[in-house]
Amino acid sequence: DGGITQSPKYLFRKEGQNVTLSCEQNLNHDAMYWYRQDPGQGLRLIYYSQIVNDFQKGDIAEGYSVSREKKESFPLTVTSAQKNPTAFYLCASSIEDNYEQYFGPGTRLTVT
Amino acid sequence: GDSVTQMEGPVTLSEEAFLTINCTYTATGYPSLFWYVQYPGEGLQLLLKATKADDKGSNKGFEATYRKETTSFHLEKGSVQVSDSAVYFCALSGNYGQNFVFGPGTRLSVLP
Repeated sequence: DGGITQSPKYLFRKEGQNVTLSCEQNLNHDAMYWYRQDPGQGLRLIYYSQIVNDFQKGDIAEGYSVSREKKESFPLTVTSAQKNPTAFYLCASSIEDNYEQYFGPGTRLTVT
Repeated sequence: GDSVTQMEGPVTLSEEAFLTINCTYTATGYPSLFWYVQYPGEGLQLLLKATKADDKGSNKGFEATYRKETTSFHLEKGSVQVSDSAVYFCALSGNYGQNFVFGPGTRLSVLP
């Protein structure tokens, strides 16, 4: 079955540590996205990538970094510079930018 | 820039009631319009879409019609079930290079 996988489902880290969230897709989509969702809130775009080896900042990129070395993979690193990293992180992909997006199940990150 | 406005929640209905969740948009040109659903603790799922004016998207008993004259894409269902309890997001995809734009989401609670 084609789809998007995110791992792990739950992640716990101590303050000051960097942490990398995994996102993999086997849909052969060119575009991939990372969103942050806080409790009871909507989605905020962190980074997106339209093609391998290229990515752009979204609305809230500070304290985050990404890479896109393979079409299938778009990992997100939450750095210690992110002041409030506890949130639900959603990865999505689309066949091209501006087409409908398909979402993974999300990773809930808790930093204490 | 493009934007999406949704009715504020939470919306609380009894089982078998009629559902309407309002969505209006601001965009240049002719965007594609989408409804996504998010069940607790999960990622977003594409519920339905419409790509041009007067198109009706439908899925699982939900419907929405793309009304260009009123810039609206209201979500409706004739008889809701407890299992429809979720957060519903309206979204648009512009056709001038912008990313997806999501509305803030509307939480629906259906009581037995």
